[in-house]
Amino acid sequence: DGGITQSPKYLFRKEGQNVTLSCEQNLNHDAMYWYRQDPGQGLRLIYYSQIVNDFQKGDIAEGYSVSREKKESFPLTVTSAQKNPTAFYLCASSPGTQPYFGPGTRLTVT
Amino acid sequence: AQRVTQPEKLLSVFKGAPVELKCNYSYSGSPELFWYVQYSRQRLQLLLRHISRESIKGFTADLNKGETSFHLKKPFAQEEDSAMYYCALEGGGNQFYFGTGTSLTVIP
Repeated sequence: DGGITQSPKYLFRKEGQNVTLSCEQNLNHDAMYWYRQDPGQGLRLIYYSQIVNDFQKGDIAEGYSVSREKKESFPLTVTSAQKNPTAFYLCASSPGTQPYFGPGTRLTVT
Repeated sequence: AQRVTQPEKLLSVFKGAPVELKCNYSYSGSPELFWYVQYSRQRLQLLLRHISRESIKGFTADLNKGETSFHLKKPFAQEEDSAMYYCALEGGGNQFYFGTGTSLTVIP
């Protein structure tokens, strides 16, 4: 678990601003994921990446963007187009068996 | 489409009582199923996966393909079992889908 880090733990932004959430892993996992966790809605998949320089949209990709330039890093940008960005964001990586999660970033947009 | 349903948002049981957290899935193929747990102020972690057929912290889960269920069970609940539990499905292509979660409270 300690091999997946997300920063910062808390993030505050004004409405209309883009914000980028960091996710780094040193587990040498090929796959990485971004989930959004909201009360009563569980975890919903935003984007995932199976290999470097490739990623696919999940169920709720609208208003988000990602990049995967390095195996270790999978940053998520929450754009101003995301209508309800305030949430808890979880990053995960997987060697192909099950996902291992980071500690999460709580984003508040006002 | 792959879907995971956890019908109970909240579940309370007394210490020492049996507990069952329900999970039903919808998947056209042969799924891999998992239970994850999130204790207070800790990150989400794997509790068990059906393929390994393990018993972790006294919890077991049996895959019932006929009923498309993967319920999590423990014969005697402990206070430290109080947590948020998520059922998850790997639906091919290394994509993982999670249910809405069940918050379990074990009453002393």
